[in-house]
Amino acid sequence: QVQLQESGPGLVKLSETLSLTCSVSSYSISSGYYWGWIRQSPGKGLEWIGSVYHSGDTYYNPSLNSRVTISLHTPKNQFSLQLTSVTAADTAVYYCARAMVVVVFDYWGQGTLVTVSS
Amino acid sequence: EIVLTQSPGTLSLSPGERATLSCRASQSVAGSYLAWYQQKPGQAPRLLIYGASSRATGIPDRFSGSGSATDFTLTISRLEPEDFAVYYCQQYGSSPPYTFGLGTKLEIK
Repeated sequence: QVQLQESGPGLVKLSETLSLTCSVSSYSISSGYYWGWIRQSPGKGLEWIGSVYHSGDTYYNPSLNSRVTISLHTPKNQFSLQLTSVTAADTAVYYCARAMVVVVFDYWGQGTLVTVSS
Repeated sequence: EIVLTQSPGTLSLSPGERATLSCRASQSVAGSYLAWYQQKPGQAPRLLIYGASSRATGIPDRFSGSGSATDFTLTISRLEPEDFAVYYCQQYGSSPPYTFGLGTKLEIK
């Protein structure tokens, strides 16, 4: 059973960079599939942030493209999210997940709440 | 950007009844690339259906998806107590952004 676990600060200051890591167990991220980040906030519902293919190719939501970087860290079997210049609108529960296709997510982490505050 | 409109916003039914949830797209979804997810409070979403009608691994056959182009439906043939949750549709038909609907809450009547 593939398991994913998000980790990172729960509080980020305005205009700084949000950084999260997803640790994957029971499957090597370099073997296949896409690996993605999704967030959920009361105001905007579920929002796809971006996905990275096991080869390293990345796909981002155009609305966040200029601020997002998703990277693989294969020796640690992890992938990460960086979101720069955060605002209050970036406050959300952030999920990492495995995708069968770019955004068809079949395994999810439990989610982590990130609050942006001054 | 394709906007997905889910209806109804809330559906009140009893266990054993049939549930029909609708997802309408603002433009045609290429390849019928539409997925459905179930989310319970405090949990991550769970993939139910992809490609409009293919059940994900381990999903009971009381869940079925249908539709094409702009109109899609998730049907739960006989509601079990554990089926009461929020359901989201998601399109992944063409270029990004790949969008989600705002959800239908299925509650116990």
